[in-house]
Amino acid sequence: KNQVEQSPQSLIILEGKNCTLQCNYTVSPFSNLRWYKQDTGRGPVSLTIMTFSENTKSNGRYTATLDADTKQSSLHITASQLSDSASYICVVSSTNDYKLSFGAGTTVTVRA
Amino acid sequence: GAGVSQSPSNKVTEKGKDVELRCDPISGHTALYWYRQSLGQGLEFLIYFQGNSAPDKSGLPSDRFSAERTGGSVSTLTIQRTQQEDSAVYLCASSHGSRGYEQYFGPGTRLTVT
Repeated sequence: KNQVEQSPQSLIILEGKNCTLQCNYTVSPFSNLRWYKQDTGRGPVSLTIMTFSENTKSNGRYTATLDADTKQSSLHITASQLSDSASYICVVSSTNDYKLSFGAGTTVTVRA
Repeated sequence: GAGVSQSPSNKVTEKGKDVELRCDPISGHTALYWYRQSLGQGLEFLIYFQGNSAPDKSGLPSDRFSAERTGGSVSTLTIQRTQQEDSAVYLCASSHGSRGYEQYFGPGTRLTVT
């Protein structure tokens, strides 16, 4: 069964600090991996998408990495802002049927 | 332009009642998805519509769940004889093409079954 595991489940950081979220997956064969940001009461919004050949991709203060050999990804948030408080969801797609496998998300709380 | 919209935003219903949740996809998007998001769990795929093709219903958890998409646009997810375990946020998403294309999510409907 395709699975996506995220860690930590939640974290609290001070405004201006950096943090890194982890995602491990067993989805195979791999198509792509996306990181989504979900604000409270909103639907998920895509931050980055990476295919097999991509190791890193940035979107402003968000940088995602992918190691397709170890099936691990990370999302690094630099110089966090209060607006970064949200749930961050790792989503992996398989080339078999392109169904998406979702992680449970990491809840990030940024405090002033 | 307008994104995916869903209604109602919140729904509280009594156990055993039927509920209908509505999704308006982005105009021109041919694919539409329904997901369920339970507390502390990842999104769970429910059903997928693509154009005029037969929908992929493989994610529907029981025969109490059904969905329709009329005219290739608006979709309704119906849950009959609701149970407390149906309480969750139901998210709708749409995309330009078939699976593999970027999915754009609506804000969701929070369903509470008492």
